[in-house]
Amino acid sequence: TQLLEQSPQFLSIQEGENLTVYCNSSSVFSSLQWYRQEPGEGPVLLVTVVTGGEVKKLKRLTFQFGDARKDSSLHITAAQPGDTGLYLCAGGRGGANNLFFGTGTRLTVIP
Amino acid sequence: DVKVTQSSRYLVKRTGEKVFLECVQDMDHENMFWYRQDPGLGLRLIYFSYDVKMKEKGDIPEGYSVSREKKERFSLILESASTNQTSMYLCAHQRGRTEAFFGQGTRLTVV
Repeated sequence: TQLLEQSPQFLSIQEGENLTVYCNSSSVFSSLQWYRQEPGEGPVLLVTVVTGGEVKKLKRLTFQFGDARKDSSLHITAAQPGDTGLYLCAGGRGGANNLFFGTGTRLTVIP
Repeated sequence: DVKVTQSSRYLVKRTGEKVFLECVQDMDHENMFWYRQDPGLGLRLIYFSYDVKMKEKGDIPEGYSVSREKKERFSLILESASTNQTSMYLCAHQRGRTEAFFGQGTRLTVV
């Protein structure tokens, strides 16, 4: 069973549209990260959130950590073709050295 | 910038061969990880190590072993490669219990 569920699994949108990707769990996490992975490459860290309710912005990307620290969302405003990739969320839990990864959302932005 | 280097981007091996995947990090971080990534299954943890000569099994260790003789180097070994081990292999090191930094990945094909 997957500790972190991401939705949607696939998303194809036109350039300029807005979108939101969700990362949900029934477990509490001490921190949550979002990564982007391009084809043939390893995932690259975008952001880390650690406080319930925290919101972080990275240019056109807005990340939010749920109040109960069980879920997170990634919102992209005015998507561009360069945003195309696989978006992964990952959570850290106290007592575990490793991160728990979601299954990913594959985003395609069509010019 | 943090750098994680995997020895090969692409490998093709025959069934039954012993395969070595090498990973080197340029930071003095203790935690290192090996994942495999398959479509629809996300990242699955194979093994990790939190110190030299220390190793811990992840979620799918069967058919794999690891070696950590030096802090900066973490090797994944496929004792006898099988076709179901065809996958993308990702090495990462981690800052504490958050933020993973990945290598570029090794796409292994076993024929």
